[in-house]
Amino acid sequence: GQQLNQSPQSMFIQEGEDVSMNCTSSSIFNTWLWYKQDPGEGPVLLIALYKAGELTSNGRLTAQFGITRKDSFLNISASIPSDVGIYFCAVLNTGANSKLTFGKGITLSVRP
Amino acid sequence: DAGITQSPRYKITETGRQVTLMCHQTWSHSYMFWYRQDLGHGLRLIYYSAAADITDKGEVPDGYVVSRSKTENFPLTLESATRSQTSVYFCASTLFGNTEAFFGQGTRLTVV
Repeated sequence: GQQLNQSPQSMFIQEGEDVSMNCTSSSIFNTWLWYKQDPGEGPVLLIALYKAGELTSNGRLTAQFGITRKDSFLNISASIPSDVGIYFCAVLNTGANSKLTFGKGITLSVRP
Repeated sequence: DAGITQSPRYKITETGRQVTLMCHQTWSHSYMFWYRQDLGHGLRLIYYSAAADITDKGEVPDGYVVSRSKTENFPLTLESATRSQTSVYFCASTLFGNTEAFFGQGTRLTVV
C-alpha cells in the first residue's frame, strides 16, 4: 500500500528553537496535510496544502508542498512547551474513494 | 452535543469475544474512517465509508467488520478479538472533498 515516510520517530529540542519535519512518498499526491496529536486526544488538522510548491503559514507553523508532489515539510519556529505531541503528515486520495492515509508520526519533545 | 463521539473510551475484553466500538457524528459528514494507533506504526486505516451502505477496506481490515446503515453511525466490530488487536482506535469523519478530518477521542481496547 501507499507509504509515507517520516523520520526520525522522535525529536528532542530546546524551548525557543526552530524544528523542521519532513514527509516523503514514492507516489504523487495532490493534497498534503499536517496533523498534531496531543496526549490522550485525537489528531487535529494544522495545515492543508493543495498546490505543488505552495507555502502556507499558521502562526508559528509553516508548511510547504513539494514541487514534485512527493514530499512536504513542516517548520515550527520558536518552540514552546505546548508544541509537545505527535506530528503526522497525511495525504488524501481524491476521487470517488477518497481516503486519508497517515505517516507514522514524529513525537516532539520540548525541553524548557 | 455536536461533534464526533466514540464509545466506550476504555474496554477490556477476553480473547475470542466479540466487541463493538461505536462512533457517532452529528455533522452529517459523508466520509467516516476507522484507524488503529500502535507504537511504531502511527495511524493505520482499518475501514472507511464514503456514505451510508458504502464501505471499503483500508490497510489493515482483517479481523474487523463495519457497517453503515445510517450516515451518522459507523460501528466497528471485532468478531473474535485477539491480543494483537489491543490498540487505541480512532474514528474520524469528513465532508466529501474536504481535507479536514475530525477525530473522536479514541477508544483504548485491551484484549486479554
